[in-house]
Amino acid sequence: QSALTQPAAVSGSPGQSITISCTGTTSDVGGYNYVSWYQQHPGKAPKLMMYDVNNRPSGVSNRFSGSKSGNTASLTISGLQAEDEADYYCSSYTRSSTLVLFGGGTKLTVL
Amino acid sequence: QVQLVESGGGLVKPGGSLRLSCEASGFTFSDYYMSWIRQAPGRGLEWLSYISNGGTTIYYADSVRGRFTISRDNARNSLYLQMDSLRAEDTALYYCGRERYGSISYWGQGTLVTVSS
Repeated sequence: QSALTQPAAVSGSPGQSITISCTGTTSDVGGYNYVSWYQQHPGKAPKLMMYDVNNRPSGVSNRFSGSKSGNTASLTISGLQAEDEADYYCSSYTRSSTLVLFGGGTKLTVL
Repeated sequence: QVQLVESGGGLVKPGGSLRLSCEASGFTFSDYYMSWIRQAPGRGLEWLSYISNGGTTIYYADSVRGRFTISRDNARNSLYLQMDSLRAEDTALYYCGRERYGSISYWGQGTLVTVSS
């Protein structure tokens, strides 16, 4: 099964807002409200930033927000900070036997 | 605090086998579903397998089904991944994670598996 589709790279200046999209199908993103987002800094393990589309784990800044429309989920980061520069991955439950799909990842650069 | 510590990685020849372990602490292991995820060098994340808290429900990614076997020992707070018929493309950092409806809320630091002759 194909991975979810994310842009390879996005960028923004400090203080700006950016949005990362994650496109799937009705069998995954569009069919479940079980979309998650992860942040990964170089050499580190991924960190959960959003679950169930728009729920932030304890300790995650409220500058991060999630949404979904149809088969596309989105992660928005407002008030960009240098520390937000990282790779971001989405994931979703899927109806297939694979159970969970990841997106290909998006590299966020803070200019 | 929640801790997950993977071990068992290393260098193995194509066609060989390895058994990865993940020791959990800081939470009631037997209450949680668990997963294995991997990341090839310079590549993205790939979900591999999931096991329910009691071990009765198991899923695999198509890429590893039939070659990898997930298991757990709740008495030892441990998760395992038996990897057989290893291929060069299985070279990756292998993470274990605490799972909830496809969301990995806690990750270990990973153990590196290199498949090369």
